[in-house]
Amino acid sequence: AQSVTQLGSHVSVSEGALVLLRCNYSSSVPPYLFWYVQYPNQGLQLLLKYTTGATLVKGINGFEAEFKKSETSFHLTKPSAHMSDAAEYFCAVSDRQNNNDMRFGAGTRLTVKP
Amino acid sequence: EPEVTQTPSHQVTQMGQEVILRCVPISNHLYFYWYRQILGQKVEFLVSFYNNEISEKSEIFDDQFSVERPDGSNFTLKIRSTKLEDSAMYFCASSESGRGRGGYTFGSGTRLTVV
Repeated sequence: AQSVTQLGSHVSVSEGALVLLRCNYSSSVPPYLFWYVQYPNQGLQLLLKYTTGATLVKGINGFEAEFKKSETSFHLTKPSAHMSDAAEYFCAVSDRQNNNDMRFGAGTRLTVKP
Repeated sequence: EPEVTQTPSHQVTQMGQEVILRCVPISNHLYFYWYRQILGQKVEFLVSFYNNEISEKSEIFDDQFSVERPDGSNFTLKIRSTKLEDSAMYFCASSESGRGRGGYTFGSGTRLTVV
């Protein structure tokens, strides 16, 4: 079964600095990959997804992620952090062949310092 | 933009009581899901539902849990006899295609507190 590991439960950056949230997956075949964001007391909002095609995927709010098959990674980046980016970020994986569910990583809480 | 709607937003119940959490998925979506998130922990898969039957379920989804699509719009999660450890945020999601290809649309969640 597929699984996903997020390195770092907490990441703190200064406003304007690069944001890098790490995600590695385990799957027998290249999966579908997703990043979701959860603002305090809210649901999960899809930031971006990779299903096929171009490995660099652009999402909402200036975020992007690159699928690297050789590294089994799907790290999320944003060139310049904004205060409003402070939230919990979840990487998720779905097996495109076998399972009909989506599995989430443990989440990374992003703090943005002024 | 189409939304997944969940009601109630917060429910408090006594241990041993039955609760029903309600969800209205996006109208043209065919796949439905329930996830839960215990406070401070990861989002956990409970069950997926397609064509009026469960297609996948996790080890969390034991005999205390059931799902139903009673009509053309609602999708419910029932917990028969709640336990303290059932306290969590429960998220409903729906998707147009299976295996998450298009991504899921999540509702805002129902916070269940068992006392």
